[in-house]
Amino acid sequence: DAKTTQPPSMDCAEGRAANLPCNHSTISGNEYVYWYRQIHSQGPQYIIHGLKNNETNEMASLIITEDRKSSTLILPHATLRDTAVYYCIVRPSLSAGNMLTFGGGTRLMVKP
Amino acid sequence: GAGVSQTPSNKVTEKGKYVELRCDPISGHTALYWYRQSLGQGPEFLIYFQGTGAADDSGLPNDRFFAVRPEGSVSTLKIQRTERGDSAVYLCASSSSGRAAEQFFGPGTRLTVL
Repeated sequence: DAKTTQPPSMDCAEGRAANLPCNHSTISGNEYVYWYRQIHSQGPQYIIHGLKNNETNEMASLIITEDRKSSTLILPHATLRDTAVYYCIVRPSLSAGNMLTFGGGTRLMVKP
Repeated sequence: GAGVSQTPSNKVTEKGKYVELRCDPISGHTALYWYRQSLGQGPEFLIYFQGTGAADDSGLPNDRFFAVRPEGSVSTLKIQRTERGDSAVYLCASSSSGRAAEQFFGPGTRLTVL
């Protein structure tokens, strides 16, 4: 079972920031938070990951709460091409293998 | 460089037939994963290879499903006696051996069992 909870869908205006929340209240101390997205008819694409600290790369920023029970993925200036399903994933410990456990994700619709 | 490729992109077969799906990972990636995605759902893990050996096959739904990676590069997912419920997009991903290494996904093979 997925360890994360995400809203099923969100809308965002083009050019505005998209803030996608994720709850992972049962996360363990050695588990990372990963974000992937899947554009229609394509395979999932890695966005960003973090353990405790906030992270930023050329695609997005990841804000993790101090208690690590939730996080927010921020797309600072959403474009129409950012329309996709966004998956928040808690990575299993190494002893459980390296697979990704996807939940239902959030379907983000960026509108003109 | 080249990403993960999968062939065929689409496969239509009849119930009871045997199918093979191929995955070419990124060159040098030692880890390879197969996932299955049904319509409207997130991908579900099937099997994970580290090199030539299957390190975790706990996601394979039953013994009709089998996967190989004989030389530690290309992998083939094999499905015997296909059933209509096997219809899905089969995704392959590869990664380097780093602990938190990202997985790079291919475009998937859409399998339709009539």
